[in-house]
Amino acid sequence: KAGVTQTPRYLIKTRGQQVTLSCSPISGHRSVSWYQQTPGQGLQFLFEYFSETQRNKGNFPGRFSGRQFSNSRSEMNVSTLELGDSALYLCASSLESSYNSPLHFGNGTRLTVT
Amino acid sequence: GDSVTQMEGPVTLSEEAFLTINCTYTATGYPSLFWYVQYPGEGLQLLLKATKADDKGSNKGFEATYRKETTSFHLEKGSVQVSDSAVYFCAASDGGGADGLTFGKGTHLIIQP
Repeated sequence: KAGVTQTPRYLIKTRGQQVTLSCSPISGHRSVSWYQQTPGQGLQFLFEYFSETQRNKGNFPGRFSGRQFSNSRSEMNVSTLELGDSALYLCASSLESSYNSPLHFGNGTRLTVT
Repeated sequence: GDSVTQMEGPVTLSEEAFLTINCTYTATGYPSLFWYVQYPGEGLQLLLKATKADDKGSNKGFEATYRKETTSFHLEKGSVQVSDSAVYFCAASDGGGADGLTFGKGTHLIIQP
């Protein structure tokens, strides 16, 4: 069974631009969660989608948004990029809610903002 | 909100040594607790979990017991191998998962032959 696939693996953007990251979950998984990982803050929860609906959202500004499609694939978008948005963005899928089902993580998208 | 604290390391041990990685949490409710592991070049994967007090999670020789009285979930292994070298993350999920998983900063474990 294929794992969680995130594209692209690396991105370099400049301040003020926007970016879209993509995540394909494991087949049959209905929940997709996004996390931001930085050396200073560690892993921080961005949001979770389940059956195309945002279920939960972490403490991030409105510049961070996401969506989930009917095939469970998910995208996250960051608008008006800031230097502090440089991070590894991880997507994770699970059968049901992340509270009840183990998360399966992708290898992440490394975003660098210059 | 919830928070998770774990020793950051790196922790360097010799093969066959006993391992303990401490993890404590703060939560308003009764969270589920997890240990995730990230091997070099791979994504995070679930190592073990416990969903209520006094539960013991175990996998691949690793164990952790949910201690409500000390709000801890320490990871232990009796005899580590070089292949256990990885980054280990303790995590907590509040009731209902409203805030997703709260992760500790991660502990880099290095096992020397």
